[in-house]
Amino acid sequence: GAVVSQHPSRVICKSGTSVKIECRSLDFQATTMFWYRQFPKKSLMLMATSNEGSKATYEQGVEKDKFLINHASLTLSTLTVTSAHPEDSSFYICSAFYDREISEQYFGPGTRLTVT
Amino acid sequence: SQQGEEDPQALSIQEGENATMNCSYKTSINNLQWYRQNSGRGLVHLILIRSNEREKHSGRLRVTLDTSKKSSSLLITASRAADTASYFCATEDIQGGSEKLVFGKGTKLTVNP
Repeated sequence: GAVVSQHPSRVICKSGTSVKIECRSLDFQATTMFWYRQFPKKSLMLMATSNEGSKATYEQGVEKDKFLINHASLTLSTLTVTSAHPEDSSFYICSAFYDREISEQYFGPGTRLTVT
Repeated sequence: SQQGEEDPQALSIQEGENATMNCSYKTSINNLQWYRQNSGRGLVHLILIRSNEREKHSGRLRVTLDTSKKSSSLLITASRAADTASYFCATEDIQGGSEKLVFGKGTKLTVNP
């Protein structure tokens, strides 16, 4: 079946540094990918929609200058958390549309970010 | 905004028992989807039910959708310890042609061996 990978799976960084998270569709092309954030014991929150070759669409309340998204190819989207703070510590998950006709999307395994 | 609301928030059962989780939503939808998430892992798509469908089966899973009540249920029959996970419903809204999914807070299911 379709697979979406994320790298890294875990990252620890210091406050003020930037962290890049990659989301790849391994055996299919994805013109649209989504980035979610999950707080402990909370549901997923959609952060932004990443469109290949164009600017990402951010959800209300999500700082686009802090969470930089680049979707440079049909199989790769990156999320860069700039000037990270401890409150950015979270579980970040991406997803990609595998079959838009049936609204089927696949999720990556997630990236656990810890900012110290 | 979060519109899918799962009920109960947590459920603990014995192996072999059935587990029922409910989801309510507020707006008109194209479809409703159920996902499973093992602790600290990504989501796995379980089943999608369209707004014009009332019931769908997949293995030990049975999903119902009542659009008049804006609710859905996920039934796992003959549960196994490996079914222990969090289960989320997600709705795809009709409004604005968006294909974004809106997730509920999830039900944490524990199946005791």
